Amino acid sequence: QSVLTQPPSASGTPGQRVTISCSGSSSNIGRNIVDWYQQLPGMAPKLLIYSRNQRPSGVPDRFSGSKSGTSASLAISGLQSEDEADYYCAAWDDSLKGHVFGGGTKLTVL
Amino acid sequence: QVQLQQSGPGLVKPSQTLSLTCAISGDSVSSNSAAWNWIRQSPSRGLEWLGRTYYRSKWKNDYALSVKSRITVNPDTSKNQFSLQLNSVTPEDTAVYYCARTQDGSLGDYWGQGTLVTVSS
Repeated sequence: QSVLTQPPSASGTPGQRVTISCSGSSSNIGRNIVDWYQQLPGMAPKLLIYSRNQRPSGVPDRFSGSKSGTSASLAISGLQSEDEADYYCAAWDDSLKGHVFGGGTKLTVL
Repeated sequence: QVQLQQSGPGLVKPSQTLSLTCAISGDSVSSNSAAWNWIRQSPSRGLEWLGRTYYRSKWKNDYALSVKSRITVNPDTSKNQFSLQLNSVTPEDTAVYYCARTQDGSLGDYWGQGTLVTVSS
């Protein structure tokens, strides 16, 4: 059971906007920044969003992140077939003194 | 461009020690702004952060509570790499193991290619 809670699945049609939620607590999301990762089958996770909604070079601005209290969200606008992947949130947990992950959300592009 | 290249055996016997190495290019294991992590992924446990080493005037380590009694993450400045040792492994430790760099507040902006480690006799 993961420390951060994500819905197991999400879906959308091409061009649509989808959001993926990540729920935590005051010891992790409530106090620390949230990362979002995209993982394609057989590949290592790829950083999508970090710090205060920052994107690494090469990540399209269709991806954006937000945080409110002890929850965070990843939004993907203009959904494309290549966005079909697993998405994970992560944050540092002050109580556990370590990084924690969400269980992942499998995004299907219909 | 930072690259992380993992190496180590893919099969370990129960009760033995799992050992992996992550060679760094494009950055230094002694960087004052980076941290060097080990993370694993399995169908039953999902993504699980295991531990990290980093240099801030002196070497420091942080370890996940779930493996704290069995894990060691060490830097090797002469080879610009870092290693993972996980003792007394069981089949529950079977997973894909990744190394990753922490920078600018993100857990992992660069990742190794992953190593599937199977614990089996």
